[in-house]
Amino acid sequence: AQSVTQLGSHVSVSEGALVLLRCNYSSSVPPYLFWYVQYPNQGLQLLLKYTSAATLVKGINGFEAEFKKSETSFHLTKPSAHMSDAAEYFCAVSGGPSGFGNEKLTFGTGTRLTIIP
Amino acid sequence: DVKVTQSSRYLVKRTGEKVFLECVQDMDHENMFWYRQDPGLGLRLIYFSYDVKMKEKGDIPEGYSVSREKKERFSLILESASTNQTSMYLCASNRQSSGNTIYFGEGSWLTVV
Repeated sequence: AQSVTQLGSHVSVSEGALVLLRCNYSSSVPPYLFWYVQYPNQGLQLLLKYTSAATLVKGINGFEAEFKKSETSFHLTKPSAHMSDAAEYFCAVSGGPSGFGNEKLTFGTGTRLTIIP
Repeated sequence: DVKVTQSSRYLVKRTGEKVFLECVQDMDHENMFWYRQDPGLGLRLIYFSYDVKMKEKGDIPEGYSVSREKKERFSLILESASTNQTSMYLCASNRQSSGNTIYFGEGSWLTVV
């Protein structure tokens, strides 16, 4: 069984400040980990993913995340927040390499990011 | 460019009605999914399909059924809509290969009155 916990349902940061969105996972197999972003009234868009290669993963729009097995964490960061980053962010885990059912994603409850001008 | 299309963005249905939500993908993906999104609960998997006519229950299948007669199309069916099924429904698809990136549609907002 897999699960994801996102700490903080709402996070506010000032424009230009560091963005840190927290995600901890639980998985009985080596996980694949994902961050998705959802803008208002839209579907989800992939920001970045970890698939057992480099532990520091760079994504779109200047975001990155680091896989830390010892801490079972996959926190999302961005050095300098922009107004366009305001959205809801979801962390997700899947069961690893392809196989029946492994491609399913289990999502966290989401973190809404607000950028203060 | 990848494309998952949900035919209806906004629907209002009455309690007891049969509701069909349609989803089409143009990427020849083997897997298709239906998720439900509710505030504070994130996305929860209703059903997924790994091949034509094949389906598996997700975490919250009660009150829903699905149909996949063609590889590109995956339908979610509410046999008798209830008010607690008012929600955002998201269709998604991906390949059966390592990496597992799932691509999402724009979502269908369903209100049951």
